[in-house]
This record gives sequence, C-alpha cells and structure tokens, in this order.
Amino acid sequence: GDSVTQMEGPVTLSEEAFLTINCTYTATGYPSLFWYVQYPGEGLQLLLKATKADDKGSNKGFEATYRKETTSFHLEKGSVQVSDSAVYFCALPINTGNQFYFGTGTSLTVIP
Amino acid sequence: DVKVTQSSRYLVKRTGEKVFLECVQDMDHENMFWYRQDPGLGLRLIYFSYDVKMKEKGDIPEGYSVSREKKERFSLILESASTNQTSMYLCASSFGAPGLAGGGYEQFFGPGTRLTVL
Repeated sequence: GDSVTQMEGPVTLSEEAFLTINCTYTATGYPSLFWYVQYPGEGLQLLLKATKADDKGSNKGFEATYRKETTSFHLEKGSVQVSDSAVYFCALPINTGNQFYFGTGTSLTVIP
Repeated sequence: DVKVTQSSRYLVKRTGEKVFLECVQDMDHENMFWYRQDPGLGLRLIYFSYDVKMKEKGDIPEGYSVSREKKERFSLILESASTNQTSMYLCASSFGAPGLAGGGYEQFFGPGTRLTVL
C-alpha cells in the first residue's frame, strides 16, 4: 500500500549548516507530495508541496524536488537558522486526497 | 487569516472521566480531522468528517467518538478516559474533493490540546 518513510531524528545542526531530511514514498500513480512543519507549541502548517514529477517546491529557503526515479522528496536548506528548529513531516495524500499519510516526523534543533 | 481553534491547550483529567475536546474552524471547510500525536509514532488519524453528521473511522478510533452537528465544529469525545489516552490531540480542516485522486488539499491545524489522564 501507499506510504511514506522519513529519516529518523533528532537532528542537531549548527547555525548556517546545510540541512537534508530524507523522505521516500510508495504510491500508485504520481500523487502530490507535501512537507509540513510544526514549530514548538504549535500545530502543523504547510511548508511546501510539489504536484508532479520533477517539480520543485520551495518556501522560506527550504526546497524539495519530486523525483519519481528514486521515489523521493528530500527536504533541503542551504543555511539553517535557530528559528528553523521544529519538527518536519513528509506527507502523501491518500486516495481521493482528503486524507494524508504522514511520516513519523524529524525533529531539528539548530544551535547558535 | 485562516484559523482552527481548539478549546484548551492543556487539560488534566482523571481515569474514567468523560472528556470533550472541541475544535472550530472559520474557513467553511468540508473536512475536519482529529489526530493524536505521540513521540516516535507521528500523527495517527482518529476520526475524519467530510460533512455535517458524517464521520469515518481513522486508524485508531477505539475509545473515541466524534460529533459534527455544525459545519464549523468537530468534537472529539473520550467516553471513559484512560491513562493510555494521554497524548497531544490535533484538530485539522481542509476543503473536500471526493474523487480528486492524488491531489491533496492542504490541511490547516489547530495548536493542539495536551491531555494528561491521571
């Protein structure tokens, strides 16, 4: 069945370091792919998405490219900031798109 | 500004109590969801509603029920709270699109209710 597998954390980086959080998916067809972020004490919010193969989603300096060859949607940022400390979730729509499979989440802590 | 609000940020209840968690959205969304979030397990769907008075079980409905009498409000009920229901509960809403395969409508989340059952 459809699923997403996300890199386990926690991840701790120094400010200005490069970030990669891996996400791979199993799906029938070519669904949209999403990254959500959860800042401390808050609910999840959409960070970025890509709707078809080879699309790149981007927001707040984060990027992810939808790669059907490797069934991946890895999240990257060139230079992280302390304010990027959060939990990041990869997500895949289920069937009709009303529900999602969420990854288990990757906790990122950025230290000054 | 779109908004999903939850009735409490923190709640402490005793085993056996009936617990109500309320969620309200102001975006006229058809869909509403209740999740619980636990360390190492990510988000797990408890119940989902795609219209007033309509509901579907998610992955872990046991011990929970829901109510949706108005479009903007979705309530989660713990009939008899137990210690293993101590968790973070997240409500979300989205537009509905039955039959839209693979599309995925963004879900908007509330801030969560951290429930402790003693």
